[in-house]
Amino acid sequence: SQQGEEDPQALSIQEGENATMNCSYKTSINNLQWYRQNSGRGLVHLILIRSNEREKHSGRLRVTLDTSKKSSSLLITASRAADTASYFCATDRDTGRRALTFGSGTRLQVQP
Amino acid sequence: GAGVSQSPSNKVTEKGKDVELRCDPISGHTALYWYRQSLGQGLEFLIYFQGNSAPDKSGLPSDRFSAERTGGSVSTLTIQRTQQEDSAVYLCASRALNEQFFGPGTRLTVL
Repeated sequence: SQQGEEDPQALSIQEGENATMNCSYKTSINNLQWYRQNSGRGLVHLILIRSNEREKHSGRLRVTLDTSKKSSSLLITASRAADTASYFCATDRDTGRRALTFGSGTRLQVQP
Repeated sequence: GAGVSQSPSNKVTEKGKDVELRCDPISGHTALYWYRQSLGQGLEFLIYFQGNSAPDKSGLPSDRFSAERTGGSVSTLTIQRTQQEDSAVYLCASRALNEQFFGPGTRLTVL
């Protein structure tokens, strides 16, 4: 079963604009990760934020985590056409098998 | 170094036939996962291998699904008597520390 819900389901913006995607989850976590998927195939790991962190940056990516609200956001600044993809949040409970639980994803379209 | 590889990249089969999907994880990664992604959806956990321990099969949707991992490396996911609802992209991942590295997936279409 999927733990996360993401919104929006789809987002269309112009190149240069910022894109914000949100993710909510249900259980306690060890960390939360964001992945990008192009053309419905392999996933690329973007960034990991631990449960004791509130914000993290990587290049044009900014991730926030609010464990009290069980939510996270991914901000892509100065978007490019190449950012067009589906973005998924995934939670890691750091117990047992540590399989990631994925949200349903946000489809981002960046218009050139 | 090489990433996770999967084969075949695409597989079209007829309902009722068996299929085998292969995953080559990153060398040295002891944890290996299979996930399934239906069209427009997130990933669904299927099965997990860790070293020589018994696999965690709790995500397998039915007894038609099975997987093995030989020698702690290559893994094969087998689906017997395929059904149309088995159509999906099957993704394999291996893990080092906290990060899972995904293969390109196998797109399975059951006609």
